Amino acid sequence: DAGITQSPRYKITETGRQVTLMCHQTWSHSYMFWYRQDLGHGLRLIYYSAAADITDKGEVPDGYVVSRSKTENFPLTLESATRSQTSVYFCASSELGWDRNSPLHFGNGTRLTVT
Amino acid sequence: AQSVTQLDSQVPVFEEAPVELRCNYSSSVSVYLFWYVQYPNQGLQLLLKYLSGSTLVKGINGFEAEFNKSQTSFHLRKPSVHISDTAEYFCAVISNFGNEKLTFGTGTRLTIIP
Repeated sequence: DAGITQSPRYKITETGRQVTLMCHQTWSHSYMFWYRQDLGHGLRLIYYSAAADITDKGEVPDGYVVSRSKTENFPLTLESATRSQTSVYFCASSELGWDRNSPLHFGNGTRLTVT
Repeated sequence: AQSVTQLDSQVPVFEEAPVELRCNYSSSVSVYLFWYVQYPNQGLQLLLKYLSGSTLVKGINGFEAEFNKSQTSFHLRKPSVHISDTAEYFCAVISNFGNEKLTFGTGTRLTIIP
């Protein structure tokens, strides 16, 4: 089935460890996004990508690294996890970015806990 | 710059009662407005959107929203809620000028009481 899948669904890691969250979409959408969801903050944009090999920072990029070597994949890496990065992470894709006629399609999220 | 405010973080409602979830936005230019819904343990999905034309827009699952330019509001309503409407609802805005990003509100958790 076409869609956007995130893995893992749940992850517990220790402070200082590197962790990578995976995101894969089957629509061949040009744009992909990473958001984090925190109580009281709603969704905040971490990074986004307009196409393979093109990425840009969002609102809260510090401590995160992304890559996009293939259109369908957009992994998010926390190079040295901190407790403040405990959150629910959502990957999304869209055909035309934030275009009014191009809704975002979200994955089911990864709940990350940093101890 | 644009912003969106959802005044209520939690809204409890009895089943079959009406509900209104409030959303106000701020922008110096014209905007497009959206409501997304997040069911438990799922990602967000588009509920409805206002682009232009009629200020009353209808979405999925019996929800509707009214764009009020003078009040800078885009409140979401449903005349009779069901248990399955339990979810978190996010209002979002994007200006129709320039290379703006979609801005989400902080969300309203709707809890339906049987």
